[in-house]
Amino acid sequence: GAVVSQHPSWVICKSGTSVKIECRSLDFQATTMFWYRQFPKQSLMLMATSNEGSKATYEQGVEKDKFLINHASLTLSTLTVTSAHPEDSSFYICSARDRGRTNEQYFGPGTRLTVT
Amino acid sequence: SQQGEEDPQALSIQEGENATMNCSYKTSINNLQWYRQNSGRGLVHLILIRSNEREKHSGRLRVTLDTSKKSSSLLITASRAADTASYFCATDETSGSRLTFGEGTQLTVNP
Repeated sequence: GAVVSQHPSWVICKSGTSVKIECRSLDFQATTMFWYRQFPKQSLMLMATSNEGSKATYEQGVEKDKFLINHASLTLSTLTVTSAHPEDSSFYICSARDRGRTNEQYFGPGTRLTVT
Repeated sequence: SQQGEEDPQALSIQEGENATMNCSYKTSINNLQWYRQNSGRGLVHLILIRSNEREKHSGRLRVTLDTSKKSSSLLITASRAADTASYFCATDETSGSRLTFGEGTQLTVNP
């Protein structure tokens, strides 16, 4: 089956630093990848949609200069949280839509970010 | 914004009982999907039901979809303690290519 990986699985960083999270589709090509954020005991909130070779589309209220998204290839998208603050601490989950199967979207295992 | 509403928010049952979770949405959809998430973990895809389908089964899972009422239900039969998790519905809207998640139901199955 289709597999999406995320790296790292967890990260702790200090306020003011930047953190990069990688999302990879391991056995399929993903023209579209999605980044979600999930706070404790809450649902997933879509942050942005990332299309290979073009700029990401951000949801209302999500700062594009703070959450930098790069989708440089059909198998890799990265999310960089810049100048992290404690309120950015969250569970970040990516998903990838299979280029050949447009209804299928596969989720990564998530990355737990803690900003101290 | 989240378009899906789920009820109940929390459900606690005994092993062997059935669990029913409901999801409502607001826009036209291509399909509706149900996911499970154990605490602190990633999502597990359970089942997808297309807009032209009314009912679907997978093992102990039964999903219904009523597009006229814009609602869906997930039934887990003969529940087990291992079914304890959060369950989310997600709609694949016709207006876009993204999934929109409901608020989720926290299911606890007591042994």
